Amino acid sequence: QITLKESGPTLVKPTQTLTLTCTFSGFSLDRSGVGVGWIRQPPGKALECLAFIHWNDDKFYSPSLKSRLTITKDTSKNQVVLTMTNMDPVDTATYYCAHAWGNYGSEFYYYYSGMDVWGQGTTVTVSS
Amino acid sequence: QSVLTQPPSVSASPGQKVTISCSGSSSNIGKNYVSWYQQLPGTAPKLLIYENNRRPSGIPDRFSGSKSGTSATLGITGLQTGDEADYYCGTWDNSLSAGAVPVVFGGGTKLTVL
Repeated sequence: QITLKESGPTLVKPTQTLTLTCTFSGFSLDRSGVGVGWIRQPPGKALECLAFIHWNDDKFYSPSLKSRLTITKDTSKNQVVLTMTNMDPVDTATYYCAHAWGNYGSEFYYYYSGMDVWGQGTTVTVSS
Repeated sequence: QSVLTQPPSVSASPGQKVTISCSGSSSNIGKNYVSWYQQLPGTAPKLLIYENNRRPSGIPDRFSGSKSGTSATLGITGLQTGDEADYYCGTWDNSLSAGAVPVVFGGGTKLTVL
């Protein structure tokens, strides 16, 4: 059974750095095709994938936030960590991590299947 | 502005059928699988459909998915009041710049069961 859980501060001040940890179980992040994504959802708004890390340590970031984001994995601890610098009130949102999977087809093309298990989410408020 | 386009809202009566559309492009839906997620109020998204039309274990067959070209559709039959939720489509996008996160979502559709 796959589970993921987000942890981190619930309140941060503007300009501070946010560090969120996703602790997971039930899968290995060094298995081919597996990934973990960080998704955020401002109040009343849509889902937005901020960052994604693949089993092979490939990392991807939202273009509009790339300069502020870092995603890393620690397979020995079963954790994925997201840091976001220079926090602003517009970053107030619920942050989720999720398990993603896919398979490689011909010519090593990656067929992403979806995000099948999500953490419960953690609400982060940015305010002075 | 989301990469994938969904109607903001749909509504139907209990017992009826509803469909939710998701429009993309040749670089995302056109060449990749589509997944659908249900988000009940105050909860995390839940996977309903993956790989265009496959249901995870435990998802009733009232939920179905299809894809044609650069669009996908989620269908829900036998609507129940418990189906009131936000629904999101998602896929992979190959057109983005190197290093850009390729997981994209639609803007979400609020389903009201009248």
